[in-house]
Amino acid sequence: GDSVTQMEGPVTLSEEAFLTINCTYTATGYPSLFWYVQYPGEGLQLLLKATKADDKGSNKGFEATYRKETTSFHLEKGSVQVSDSAVYFCALSTSNAGGTSYGKLTFGQGTILTVHP
Amino acid sequence: SQTIHQWPATLVQPVGSPLSLECTVEGTSNPNLYWYRQAAGRGLQLLFYSVGIGQISSEVPQNLSASRPQDRQFILSSKKLLLSDSGFYLCAWSAYITDNSPLHFGNGTRLTVT
Repeated sequence: GDSVTQMEGPVTLSEEAFLTINCTYTATGYPSLFWYVQYPGEGLQLLLKATKADDKGSNKGFEATYRKETTSFHLEKGSVQVSDSAVYFCALSTSNAGGTSYGKLTFGQGTILTVHP
Repeated sequence: SQTIHQWPATLVQPVGSPLSLECTVEGTSNPNLYWYRQAAGRGLQLLFYSVGIGQISSEVPQNLSASRPQDRQFILSSKKLLLSDSGFYLCAWSAYITDNSPLHFGNGTRLTVT
């Protein structure tokens, strides 16, 4: 079945450092890929998405490129801030036999990011 | 604009007691609705999804059930809670038909079964 693997956390960085959170996936067909962010005590918010190979999703300084050849969707940010401290989830859409996903997502286990001043 | 409401925010229940968590969506019609659970230190697991009133699909066998009595209302229930039901429960919606439509999550309910 479909699966998503994220790099182990927690990740601890100083403010203005470069961030990479690795994400690789296994899927049948051509999934869409997403990054969600969860701030303490809250639900998840969509950070960015990419719907086909070589697409780059970007938002709030974060970027991720859909790499079909390496089945990866790594999250990057050039200069992190304390306010970026959160849990980051990589996810992919999951299609059923009829070819419709109905929006169901398969999530990675999440990566905790802590940014110090 | 669309909003999703989920309540209660926190809940402490004894083992064997019933459970009812409610989720409503405003500002959209015919949404796909989902219940996810996030266990401590782990990722999200899809429990149920619904593409229409009265239509419920279960993703994993468990002690919980879901119902959709109205188009924008989704309820998660249990007749008798187990310790293993503790976790963070998230309701979400997505637009009908569009496979690439992202999920929009509520703020979650933290359930502790004692």
